[in-house]
Amino acid sequence: DGGITQSPKYLFRKEGQNVTLSCEQNLNHDAMYWYRQDPGQGLRLIYYSQIVNDFQKGDIAEGYSVSREKKESFPLTVTSAQKNPTAFYLCASSATGIGYTFGSGTRLTVV
Amino acid sequence: GENVGLHLPTLSVQEGDNSIINCAYSNSASDYFIWYKQESGKGPQFIIDIRSNMDKRQGQRVTVLLNKTVKHLSLQIAATQPGDSAVYFCAERRGQFGGGSNYKLTFGKGTLLTVNP
Repeated sequence: DGGITQSPKYLFRKEGQNVTLSCEQNLNHDAMYWYRQDPGQGLRLIYYSQIVNDFQKGDIAEGYSVSREKKESFPLTVTSAQKNPTAFYLCASSATGIGYTFGSGTRLTVV
Repeated sequence: GENVGLHLPTLSVQEGDNSIINCAYSNSASDYFIWYKQESGKGPQFIIDIRSNMDKRQGQRVTVLLNKTVKHLSLQIAATQPGDSAVYFCAERRGQFGGGSNYKLTFGKGTLLTVNP
């Protein structure tokens, strides 16, 4: 079955560490997105990519980085520059004219 | 500023009752709206969508109503079940990224629906 897979489900980061969240889709979607979700908040866009080897900053890109070397993959790195990284991270993908398909999320906690 | 918001952050209903979740949007140029359901610890799931040239669309036990005059969107769930307990988000499409063929969704904060047995 086609879908979008995020891993790991839970991730713990020490102060000063970079961590990378994985997002893989086999839906043949061109566009992929990373959102951050905090309690009581809506989804906030971190980065998006409309095509391989191209990506753009969203509304809260500071302290994050991404790559899009393959159509299927859009990993997100949370760098030590992100001062408040504890959150639920959601990856999504879309094709033209239809809604987003979301992954199951990664919960990142700073320890 | 422009935003997609919700009138009620929480809604508690009895099993078997009908539920209505509301959403206000401010951008009259938005042409496409989606409702998502998010269960605890999971990613949002698509429920139903509606384009701005429609005012009503029905799915299985769900109906979305769009009132463009007052920029209001609602999700009606018939015969609400315990499995419907979740956070429900509305999202609007406001325009495209850089003129490309894909589009950007903006999400509301969500309404927590609790179904009491």
